[in-house]
Amino acid sequence: DAKTTQPPSMDCAEGRAANLPCNHSTISGNEYVYWYRQIHSQGPQYIIHGLKNNETNEMASLIITEDRKSSTLILPHATLRDTAVYYCIVRAGGGSNYKLTFGKGTLLTVNP
Amino acid sequence: DSGVTQTPKHLITATGQRVTLRCSPRSGDLSVYWYQQSLDQGLQFLIQYYNGEERAKGNILERFSAQQFPDLHSELNLSSLELGDSALYFCASSPPGPSSGNTIYFGEGSWLTVV
Repeated sequence: DAKTTQPPSMDCAEGRAANLPCNHSTISGNEYVYWYRQIHSQGPQYIIHGLKNNETNEMASLIITEDRKSSTLILPHATLRDTAVYYCIVRAGGGSNYKLTFGKGTLLTVNP
Repeated sequence: DSGVTQTPKHLITATGQRVTLRCSPRSGDLSVYWYQQSLDQGLQFLIQYYNGEERAKGNILERFSAQQFPDLHSELNLSSLELGDSALYFCASSPPGPSSGNTIYFGEGSWLTVV
């Protein structure tokens, strides 16, 4: 699986958009970009994933650059409950081997 | 609630002992994954089962073993426990199918403390 690079920490004001960047310059054609978050000691929570196109769901938007070498997770209106470690993961597909390899992620702190 | 159930939520045991952690995957999911998260190591993949068969192995110690039963629940057995095995153990599951976009859902974890 391709490696990802994320800033170790970011701050965001409550009510503002949080934009979390991720570099995955060695991503290959069949690898998806996944975002998970982990609120202190809880189970990692799935947020969103995509292959090429931008994606949006009720939690967030995922913007993937045209060359797929980087992506941005956008939380449109951050709340205090969004304070968590956010993990960007790229995962090879095919078959039944779907494991996720977690890096260190970005600690997002939402401030009042 | 992800639909993945793990028991027990908390467990305290002594060094040298053996424990079993249990996981019930989401309804319909055939894959089960086990992860370990300790303070200094982050989330480490241990092992994956798919429909009862081992499919991928990560950094799982020889003292640890797992299995997936016909009803698809899984157990992680940890033996000869050491202080360093104290960690959060997460189970996750994902649905079947060839799609590479299948999402993995995590349970809330089992806290193991070895004293």
